[in-house]
Amino acid sequence: EPEVTQTPSHQVTQMGQEVILRCVPISNHLYFYWYRQILGQKVEFLVSFYNNEISEKSEIFDDQFSVERPDGSNFTLKIRSTKLEDSAMYFCASSERRGQETQYFGPGTRLLVL
Amino acid sequence: AQKITQTQPGMFVQEKEAVTLDCTYDTSDQSYGLFWYKQPSSGEMIFLIYQGSYDEQNATEGRYSLNFQKARKSANLVISASQLGDSAMYFCAMREGLGGTSYGKLTFGQGTILTVHP
Repeated sequence: EPEVTQTPSHQVTQMGQEVILRCVPISNHLYFYWYRQILGQKVEFLVSFYNNEISEKSEIFDDQFSVERPDGSNFTLKIRSTKLEDSAMYFCASSERRGQETQYFGPGTRLLVL
Repeated sequence: AQKITQTQPGMFVQEKEAVTLDCTYDTSDQSYGLFWYKQPSSGEMIFLIYQGSYDEQNATEGRYSLNFQKARKSANLVISASQLGDSAMYFCAMREGLGGTSYGKLTFGQGTILTVHP
């Protein structure tokens, strides 16, 4: 069964460093998402991406964040200068169509900022 | 106001018993979707079940069913015949604007930790 994959599974970084989180969505999917979950809290939407551009973003997704689809398979989230409060689990998700009922999540990247 | 409310921080159930996890939602959209995801201790998000606002029947997927009461704006998850492997965090989520204004953003509740006792 096709699945969303994410790398790395864990990343530890120093405050102020840049990190890039990588995702490979399901191959025929067209809508891509990033969510984050701070430890013990609910999952929060960051950004959605369609047709090579951001379609929607939350207030969390400020200028420190960017997303890119550098080739036909990868979908990346970059945090330019990490802060302690960026420590969280980051989930990538994808869906085939906008109205499709199932949004498939990757296993997540656990980011720790020291 | 919270869009998704899960009022049960934790629930306990005996193995083989049924359990209901509560979820209420708030939206002014006519077209929306409701989801339940399971998050085991390993951290991944596993899709369980979906209910569209216009679906006449309650959704079912194996041991999972969604008790959808539109007038009450509730979408409770019912797990029948609980198993030890059902112990996990369960999130209710909503996607609004299915009529075209949304690109699929999910809004999640705070989650309910379910513990299944042998």
